[in-house]
Amino acid sequence: GNSVTQMEGPVTLSEEAFLTINCTYTATGYPSLFWYVQYPGEGLQLLLKATKADDKGSNKGFEATYRKETTSFHLEKGSVQVSDSAVYFCALMRAGGTSYGKLTFGQGTILTVHP
Amino acid sequence: SAVISQKPSRDICQRGTSLTIQCQVDSQVTMMFWYRQQPGQSLTLIATANQGSEATYESGFVIDKFPISRPNLTFSTLTVSNMSPEDSSIYLCSVVLLGGRGEQYFGPGTRLTVT
Repeated sequence: GNSVTQMEGPVTLSEEAFLTINCTYTATGYPSLFWYVQYPGEGLQLLLKATKADDKGSNKGFEATYRKETTSFHLEKGSVQVSDSAVYFCALMRAGGTSYGKLTFGQGTILTVHP
Repeated sequence: SAVISQKPSRDICQRGTSLTIQCQVDSQVTMMFWYRQQPGQSLTLIATANQGSEATYESGFVIDKFPISRPNLTFSTLTVSNMSPEDSSIYLCSVVLLGGRGEQYFGPGTRLTVT
């Protein structure tokens, strides 16, 4: 079946540090991949996405590249800010047919950035 | 994007009672889904809300426990029936916009506590 595995958290960084949150997946076919973010007290927001191999999604300084050979979609940011403190979810959308639109989520990674 | 509202935003309910959660979108959507986020956990898909027909449930979820309606393109309800403390969760609706590129947007969630 489909599954998403994220690195264990929580992750604590100082401001301006480099961020990597690892995400690997198992899926049949060619899923689309997403990163969602949940800021404290807010709903889930789409951060970035990639729909095919070697695509790079980017938004707000965050990037992730769809690596089919390693079944990975790691999230990176070169210099984090305190305002990036949130829970980050990696997700895949099953490919086509009756599975279209259905998201499978990783367990989430809590990121805390200190000044 | 779209504006998605959910009612109620939170509730505290007695064991054995039922609660109906509403989801309203301000745009035309192709697909609507209901997810559950248990405390400290990731999101799990409950079902796909199908317009004018019975919802499609994921493994582990049944219609008697989580009846869903979707009378039109922009509105859906989820009922949590005969509640127990294990049903304490955040319930979220999500949508895929008509004419969009498959991105899924989430409502703010309904935080349910069962005592």
